[in-house]
Amino acid sequence: GAGVSQSPSNKVTEKGKDVELRCDPISGHTALYWYRQSLGQGLEFLIYFQGNSAPDKSGLPSDRFSAERTGGSVSTLTIQRTQQEDSAVYLCASSLASYGEAFFGQGTRLTVV
Amino acid sequence: QQPVQSPQAVILREGEDAVINCSSSKALYSVHWYRQKHGEAPVFLMILLKGGEQKGHEKISASFNEKKQQSSLYLTASQLSYSGTYFCGTKPIQGAQKLVFGQGTRLTINP
Repeated sequence: GAGVSQSPSNKVTEKGKDVELRCDPISGHTALYWYRQSLGQGLEFLIYFQGNSAPDKSGLPSDRFSAERTGGSVSTLTIQRTQQEDSAVYLCASSLASYGEAFFGQGTRLTVV
Repeated sequence: QQPVQSPQAVILREGEDAVINCSSSKALYSVHWYRQKHGEAPVFLMILLKGGEQKGHEKISASFNEKKQQSSLYLTASQLSYSGTYFCGTKPIQGAQKLVFGQGTRLTINP
C-alpha cells in the first residue's frame, strides 16, 4: 500500500476485555515497530520485528501484551484483560531495513472504560 | 536506553532560531529526527548515520557528533508551520537495534 495502515482507528473497550490492533506495513518493509503514546507523552517503545529474526519484546509493559507478525508482513498487537492505564494511542511504524527511516501509521486510539 | 532531549519546551516568535539537542549514553549508529503535530502521526525529517555528517532540509538541519553521542537539530528563521513536538530516535552501534525515542521537545512558534 501507499503507507502504513492501522485498524481500527478508534477502539473503545470495557475493562477486562481483550483487544487486537492491526498494522499493515508498507510492502517490502522488513522492519516493523509498535509504540505507545499516552496523552501528551512521548513515544514508548513496545516491540520490534526485523525480518525473520526473533522480535525484540523488551518494551512490552506486562505479559498481558503480545504481538506477532505473520509472513513478514501484517502485525497484530494483542492486549489481554485490558486496564484503564492501557488507554493510549498505539502507533505502528515500518522501515525498509533495520537502519532506514521509519514511516508511521495514523495510530489506533484505545480507550478502556 | 532512551536518549535525552533538551530543552523540553521552546517558545519562539516567527523568524527566530532554535536548537534542539539529543544525547545518548550509548555509542550510536544513527539518529533519526521526527516532528509530530497535535493529533497526527510523527513525520520523518532526517536521518544521520555515524560519521559526523550534517544534513539539511529547507531551513531545518542537523548534526551528529558520534564521539559525544549527541545530535542537534537546528531550525532557522522559524515559520508557524514548524510548531509541533520534535522527537529524536536513536539506534546503537551494538546490541539491540530497536529505534528508541527521546521524550520530545515541544516547539511553539508565535506570530
